[in-house]
Amino acid sequence: TQLLEQSPQFLSIQEGENLTVYCNSSSVFSSLQWYRQEPGEGPVLLVTVVTGGEVKKLKRLTFQFGDARKDSSLHITAAQPGDTGHYLCAGANRGSNYKLTFGKGTLLTVNP
Amino acid sequence: EAGVTQFPSHSVIEKGQTVTLRCDPISGHDNLYWYRRVMGKEIKFLLHFVKESKQDESGMPNNRFLAERTGGTYSTLKVQPAELEDSGVYFCASSQYRGDYGYTFGSGTRLTVV
Repeated sequence: TQLLEQSPQFLSIQEGENLTVYCNSSSVFSSLQWYRQEPGEGPVLLVTVVTGGEVKKLKRLTFQFGDARKDSSLHITAAQPGDTGHYLCAGANRGSNYKLTFGKGTLLTVNP
Repeated sequence: EAGVTQFPSHSVIEKGQTVTLRCDPISGHDNLYWYRRVMGKEIKFLLHFVKESKQDESGMPNNRFLAERTGGTYSTLKVQPAELEDSGVYFCASSQYRGDYGYTFGSGTRLTVV
């Protein structure tokens, strides 16, 4: 069974601060997907990383896939109150028919 | 394009009753997945359809759960009889291709069994 350990589970920071969320596994994934979920809604895809060492940027969000494709990170620069939400990492594998293995999520609160 | 639609959004039923959840994927999406999140746990895979065929149902908890996708369009997930531990949020997701492209999720059905 593949597992994804996501940390931290809760994070409360002030506007303007930087933060990093981590997802780690002992298993290799063919891709790591990051989602954001608002209360009462389903997860919304932010980005997919597929190549070891890959870095993708989405405005102030930087996503990185580890060289060995076992871990990933999400870094937010100068967080804004609008970044408040629940962030989820999920791994997919060709061998498992691309069904997603989710981390528990990070509940981020950015205070003005 | 319309997104993935799920209904009902909420359902409260008594233990032993039957509930049917419905998912309408994005039109043209052959791949349809069901996931579930129980309180305090991560979202977990239940099963995967490709068109009307069950590709993988390894995540289905037990035989009280029955999923169908007649005609390869919408899907239903029936729980009969419901137990307290079935409470949670059930998500449906769809994608046109199978692969590392990400999925579109519905807003989920919050099921509470009392």
